[in-house]
Amino acid sequence: DVKVTQSSRYLVKRTGEKVFLECVQDMDHENMFWYRQDPGLGLRLIYFSYDVKMKEKGDIPEGYSVSREKKERFSLILESASTNQTSMYLCASSSRLAGGTEQFFGPGTRLTVL
Amino acid sequence: GENVEQHPSTLSVQEGDSAVIKCTYSDSASNYFPWYKQELGKRPQLIIDIRSNVGEKKDQRIAVTLNKTAKHFSLHITETQPEDSAVYFCAASISGNQFYFGTGTSLTVIP
Repeated sequence: DVKVTQSSRYLVKRTGEKVFLECVQDMDHENMFWYRQDPGLGLRLIYFSYDVKMKEKGDIPEGYSVSREKKERFSLILESASTNQTSMYLCASSSRLAGGTEQFFGPGTRLTVL
Repeated sequence: GENVEQHPSTLSVQEGDSAVIKCTYSDSASNYFPWYKQELGKRPQLIIDIRSNVGEKKDQRIAVTLNKTAKHFSLHITETQPEDSAVYFCAASISGNQFYFGTGTSLTVIP
């Protein structure tokens, strides 16, 4: 049973703070993803990684960076948090089988930036 | 990049009726189309998916159809039950490397 875990369920930060969101998966998946979910906008891809130390920008990478030093861990970094980054952040992982496979999501982190 | 549009944004049906959610995509290279269900306060979970070499797929009360020519795919839920109430997301992907999601459909099944 695949498990994707995220470091926090709820987080409150102040404007300008550096914020780290961590995601860990235990199924040896090659692909990992970070999304933000906002009402009426669905899930928007921030960054994804298809291998250790590899990263690709998604649709909304501005204001974010990522790190993947180990296969099982994918971190999202907000260098200087702003109020418009208040959102639900979802991590996901999937196997890199040909043709695409199911993404498994973490429980999400509700981030509030004051 | 890929653009996925999803309609309707909200849908209410009587228990036992059918529900249909439609999505369109723009990139003809997309070849994998999953559907996710997200219950309130929970994470999205895959309910069915379809690949571009298949026109239709069914799993009990859930079916998905794909029209590659029209770049259109749909989710069909028959004999709806209250536990089907949730937000449903469609997505399009090129071989699972990047996923583009629709904006979601909030389905309410009225007992």
